[in-house]
Amino acid sequence: DVKVTQSSRYLVKRTGEKVFLECVQDMDHENMFWYRQDPGLGLRLIYFSYDVKMKEKGDIPEGYSVSREKKERFSLILESASTNQTSMYLCASRQDVGSPLHFGNGTRLTVT
Amino acid sequence: GQNIDQPTEMTATEGAIVQINCTYQTSGFNGLFWYQQHAGEAPTFLSYNVLDGLEEKGRFSSFLSRSKGYSYLLLKELQMKDSASYLCAVRDQTGANNLFFGTGTRLTVIP
Repeated sequence: DVKVTQSSRYLVKRTGEKVFLECVQDMDHENMFWYRQDPGLGLRLIYFSYDVKMKEKGDIPEGYSVSREKKERFSLILESASTNQTSMYLCASRQDVGSPLHFGNGTRLTVT
Repeated sequence: GQNIDQPTEMTATEGAIVQINCTYQTSGFNGLFWYQQHAGEAPTFLSYNVLDGLEEKGRFSSFLSRSKGYSYLLLKELQMKDSASYLCAVRDQTGANNLFFGTGTRLTVIP
């Protein structure tokens, strides 16, 4: 079974802090994604990566950056956290464009 | 862009059949996925349709009509554990073949 692991289940940060959300997958998947999930808005794509060192903006990249130095790890960075970034963050991976996404358990981030 | 529409909430009785609809508008349709998400948990993959017709997988079936921009997820012999949100997602060629999700349908199964 594919395992996508997010480093934290719950995080509480202060406004202006730099926040790192880590995601690791163990199935040698090429593609990795970061979504945020908010009530009434569904899952929205923040950033994605189709290969090591490669990154592309999704629908809502503002206020975020990412890093993919190794194939198995995809990090989401909030350079200066703001209260409107309080959300559930979901990491996902897939082998290729024809494969389904496999999700991590999510990180619930609260910015105060 | 993409527009995906599904009902917000549904309620059904244990043992019954329920159909969750999803309509979509997208410029580069390249497949439709259904995911199940229990409260506080990750979405899990249920089914995938890229051609018209019905795909059956145990108690769950999914149907697609590309000409109508329409899909449904059919759940038979409902069980209490089927209470969850069901997410419709469209893969879009013009969007780097990424998945774009609807807001989800929260299904409550009652005894």
